[in-house]
Amino acid sequence: NAGVMQNPRHLVRRRGQEARLRCSPMKGHSHVYWYRQLPEEGLKFMVYLQKENIIDESGMPKERFSAEFPKEGPSILRIQQVVRGDSAAYFCASSPPGQAPWLAGGPTSDTQYFGPGTRLTVL
Amino acid sequence: AQSVTQPDIHITVSEGASLELRCNYSYGATPYLFWYVQSPGQGLQLLLKYFSGDTLVQGIKGFEAEFKRSQSSFNLRKPSVHWSDAAEYFCAVVRASGGSYIPTFGRGTSLIVHP
Repeated sequence: NAGVMQNPRHLVRRRGQEARLRCSPMKGHSHVYWYRQLPEEGLKFMVYLQKENIIDESGMPKERFSAEFPKEGPSILRIQQVVRGDSAAYFCASSPPGQAPWLAGGPTSDTQYFGPGTRLTVL
Repeated sequence: AQSVTQPDIHITVSEGASLELRCNYSYGATPYLFWYVQSPGQGLQLLLKYFSGDTLVQGIKGFEAEFKRSQSSFNLRKPSVHWSDAAEYFCAVVRASGGSYIPTFGRGTSLIVHP
């Protein structure tokens, strides 16, 4: 969905460098999800944030990965000391406030809007 | 823990032919089920979702899906495929987790459409 912005769209890093991925949710959305998509695999949930809070980080690797969603500004996914295995497409999605936005609306009511992704390549 | 299986990695159909993409899930409670489509270089777009009620769900772009609890399936169908339907299709199940809802995606089925 064009409303969710991610930048950069492509990012190249050498092993050991840091990668910072940004996600600007749709206007009025206060929930952000981050996903990782490895080649020829589905999306894997990483972390779910609300403004200034990490709600669920059960999908985040224990080391080198962190995420934040400050009161002002975009959500940031940070990967320290990148390795080749971090090469993937990273997607964020935003949803409006509410405990269960997934359950809102009819069968085609989209409650989670995906950005175009950032493709990280680690050399 | 929930899981989603899409047994077909690739499916090839001729334009105008019917389509069925398979999805099986494993989940202990009432599932919340979704189908998404991803075009190359793009994010995911919702085709349809199921929570309860009528087990045959109508989505966008002429797609529909049927929830069959006895078979733990949520297969996606389209009666006549168009070349623009060529894309990656993902099935997902959403689980409740401490007040939040976390999706699990299948690995996807790549649809190839021959003219």
